[in-house]
Amino acid sequence: EPEVTQTPSHQVTQMGQEVILRCVPISNHLYFYWYRQILGQKVEFLVSFYNNEISEKSEIFDDQFSVERPDGSNFTLKIRSTKLEDSAMYFCASSEGQNSLSGANVLTFGAGSRLTVL
Amino acid sequence: GQSLEQPSEVTAVEGAIVQINCTYQTSGFYGLSWYQQHDGGAPTFLSYNALDGLEETGRFSSFLSRSDSYGYLLLQELQMKDSASYFCAVSQQGNFNKFYFGSGTKLNVKP
Repeated sequence: EPEVTQTPSHQVTQMGQEVILRCVPISNHLYFYWYRQILGQKVEFLVSFYNNEISEKSEIFDDQFSVERPDGSNFTLKIRSTKLEDSAMYFCASSEGQNSLSGANVLTFGAGSRLTVL
Repeated sequence: GQSLEQPSEVTAVEGAIVQINCTYQTSGFYGLSWYQQHDGGAPTFLSYNALDGLEETGRFSSFLSRSDSYGYLLLQELQMKDSASYFCAVSQQGNFNKFYFGSGTKLNVKP
């Protein structure tokens, strides 16, 4: 079964350092997303990406964050200068887009990258 | 803005039926989705409703009432493996690829 792959599974970094989280979405999916989940809390939308550009972003996704699709398979999230409050699980997801029959846009999530900022 | 409310925790016994409610406030509501997340795992899609009524998928069903801004997930014949967190998520018209998730309901299934 196709899956979304994320690396690293866990990264520990010092405050102020740059971090790049990597994702390989499902190959025939067109829409890519980053979500984050602070321990024990809800899943929060960060950004969606389509056709090589950001289509939506949340208030959380400020200038410290950027996304890139450097080649045909990878989708990355960069945090330029990490803060303590960036510690969270970061989930990448991809989708085909909106189903023409049901209207559902089904997200397939990766296993997540746990970021710990010290 | 958007807000979604779910109970924080529900406990039920194996074989029972449990209903997890979700009330939402959002402008331009389009659809309500449900995701399951086991501890330490990724959210996985369960169900979606855009129209009023019940959608059934095996042991799981999801219901939506747009006029009441309310939906629920119904889990039947509970199994131990159903112990997980369940999130409702809304999407908006013209913005179907941006989801707002509720805080999640932790379901504990006991023998």
